[in-house]
Amino acid sequence: EAQVTQNPRYLITVTGKKLTVTCSQNMNHEYMSWYRQDPGLGLRQIYYSMNVEVTDKGDVPEGYKVSRKEKRNFPLILESPSPNQTSLYFCASSLYGTGGETQYFGPGTRLLVL
Amino acid sequence: GNSVTQMEGPVTLSEEAFLTINCTYTATGYPSLFWYVQYPGEGLQLLLKATKADDKGSNKGFEATYRKETTSFHLEKGSVQVSDSAVYFCALGAGGTSYGKLTFGQGTILTVHP
Repeated sequence: EAQVTQNPRYLITVTGKKLTVTCSQNMNHEYMSWYRQDPGLGLRQIYYSMNVEVTDKGDVPEGYKVSRKEKRNFPLILESPSPNQTSLYFCASSLYGTGGETQYFGPGTRLLVL
Repeated sequence: GNSVTQMEGPVTLSEEAFLTINCTYTATGYPSLFWYVQYPGEGLQLLLKATKADDKGSNKGFEATYRKETTSFHLEKGSVQVSDSAVYFCALGAGGTSYGKLTFGQGTILTVHP
């Protein structure tokens, strides 16, 4: 089954404790990205990757890091989480990253930073 | 920059009622337009899309027409069901230097009562 998986689905942590949210896709997609969803704001892009070792900032990259060492994986790293990073996070992928492509989303990771 | 505006929600309807969720956009060039749906506890999934002006996207009884003259992509369904209860997001994919980034509206919560 074609899918995007994320882990963990739920995470409670404390300010400053480094964490990683994993994302993996099995569709051989070149383009992957991370979004955060906040009430009243819709989804906003954090980082994206056009292919292995090619990443760039989205609209809200502050406080986040990413890496793309393998085509299927695109982890999101919060090196020193703060309460304003409490949010619902989605990983997404598409074949080439063109404007008209369908994006495939993971199930989401709900993060609470105390 | 690009932006998407959705009608204020939430929307509450009785089963078999007619649904309209308004969506307008601001963008340069010729973006693609999408409606994504998020069922409770799940990630976003594509509902329908249109990649050029006057195209109509349709799926599961939902329709939306890409109107360049009014910069709109309103979602409609003639007879809603309880199972349509979800959050609906209008989104824009500009392509070009935006690559696969989607610009989302704030989302509209739809609740359908029996």
